[in-house]
Amino acid sequence: EAQVTQNPRYLITVTGKKLTVTCSQNMNHEYMSWYRQDPGLGLRQIYYSMNVEVTDKGDVPEGYKVSRKEKRNFPLILESPSPNQTSLYFCASSLTGTGVSNQPQHFGDGTRLSIL
Amino acid sequence: AQKITQTQPGMFVQEKEAVTLDCTYDTSDQSYGLFWYKQPSSGEMIFLIYQGSYDEQNATEGRYSLNFQKARKSANLVISASQLGDSAMYFCAMREGTDSWGKLQFGAGTQVVVTP
Repeated sequence: EAQVTQNPRYLITVTGKKLTVTCSQNMNHEYMSWYRQDPGLGLRQIYYSMNVEVTDKGDVPEGYKVSRKEKRNFPLILESPSPNQTSLYFCASSLTGTGVSNQPQHFGDGTRLSIL
Repeated sequence: AQKITQTQPGMFVQEKEAVTLDCTYDTSDQSYGLFWYKQPSSGEMIFLIYQGSYDEQNATEGRYSLNFQKARKSANLVISASQLGDSAMYFCAMREGTDSWGKLQFGAGTQVVVTP
């Protein structure tokens, strides 16, 4: 089954304790992206990746890191989490990132992070 | 500036009736794509329908149709014959042609509650 898998689904942790949210897709998609969802703001892009070893900042990259060592995986790293990073996070992938495409982005089921 | 505006924070609709969710967008690109996603209470993001800026026909997908008015920069989603399972948050999103990195820009969403 074609899917984007995120782990963990839920995490409660404390300020400053490094954490990683994993994302894996089995559709051989070049493009992957991380979004965060906050009430009243919709989803905002954190980082994206066009392909292996190609990543760039989205609209709200502060406090986050990513890597793309393999095509299927795109982990999101919070080196020193803070309470303002409490949010619902989504990983997404699509066949292509270039130009306007009718390829929808496929989303993972989300990771709810609470930073105390 | 907000690129996608959804002016209806929430709405009630009776089962079997049609509902229109408003979406206006702001872009100076000639080439862009518009997407609608559904987010049920379980949290996942489900792709519903796509409209390209050059598409002459309004997109349809089962009970979903898109009322695309290019000159007014609006892309309203119409759900016909509402069902209880349509209760969810609905997001309008845009991908611009000059943004070759595939970013989806989301509106704040509209919460739909379908009542028996």
